[in-house]
Amino acid sequence: DIQMTQSPSSLSASVGDRVTITCRASQSISNYLNWYQQRPGKAPKLLIYAASTLQTGVPSRFTGSGSGTFFTLTISSLQPEDFATYSCQQSYSTLWTFGQGTKVEVK
Amino acid sequence: QVQLQESGPGLVKPSQTLSLTCTVSGGSISSGNYYWSWIRQVAGEGLEWIGDIYTSGSTNFNPSLKSRVTISVDTSKNQFSLKLNSVTAADTAVYYCARRTYFSTSNWFDPWGHGTLVTVSS
Repeated sequence: DIQMTQSPSSLSASVGDRVTITCRASQSISNYLNWYQQRPGKAPKLLIYAASTLQTGVPSRFTGSGSGTFFTLTISSLQPEDFATYSCQQSYSTLWTFGQGTKVEVK
Repeated sequence: QVQLQESGPGLVKPSQTLSLTCTVSGGSISSGNYYWSWIRQVAGEGLEWIGDIYTSGSTNFNPSLKSRVTISVDTSKNQFSLKLNSVTAADTAVYYCARRTYFSTSNWFDPWGHGTLVTVSS
């Protein structure tokens, strides 16, 4: 199995802050990396696929980058609706695996 | 806009079978290059892919669960279903259904259902 490790597990931030979440794969996965947002009580939502491609309708303040084993999700200016849990997922291996999640909380 | 909704019992006794159905609305389950997936999340842990099915009936499973999982599709009802047998407390989780898109060599899950909590307890 390809293990996905996110850091930090949680972070506290304020509206307007720049936030960066990292995701590391246990082996190279090229750019086969997706990011999801989970708001409490809501369905998970795809934000970014193929490491850096923004899903239709996702605000441009979300940016994904990286390749190989190291990836980042950056929110350029945190908005109130962005307080949520973010998870990465590799799509390199057909045993699709996710990171443990990063919870973005209000500071 | 395609939407997914999980349904099924919220409480299952140990050793019994967990059964969930996902109803797809806003589009045909048979159209497009999609697989229909089940994913779960134990409280405090990351998401775990369980398995998925193509409308041809072809299935893929997480090896850790394969021996206990059945996924089926009913195209006439625009639904797909999950059965997980011999459940234990470790199977207590929020269960999500989702559509997996296969495009070029990339795959991603979108959209997702809201999830349903299934508790395994006597």
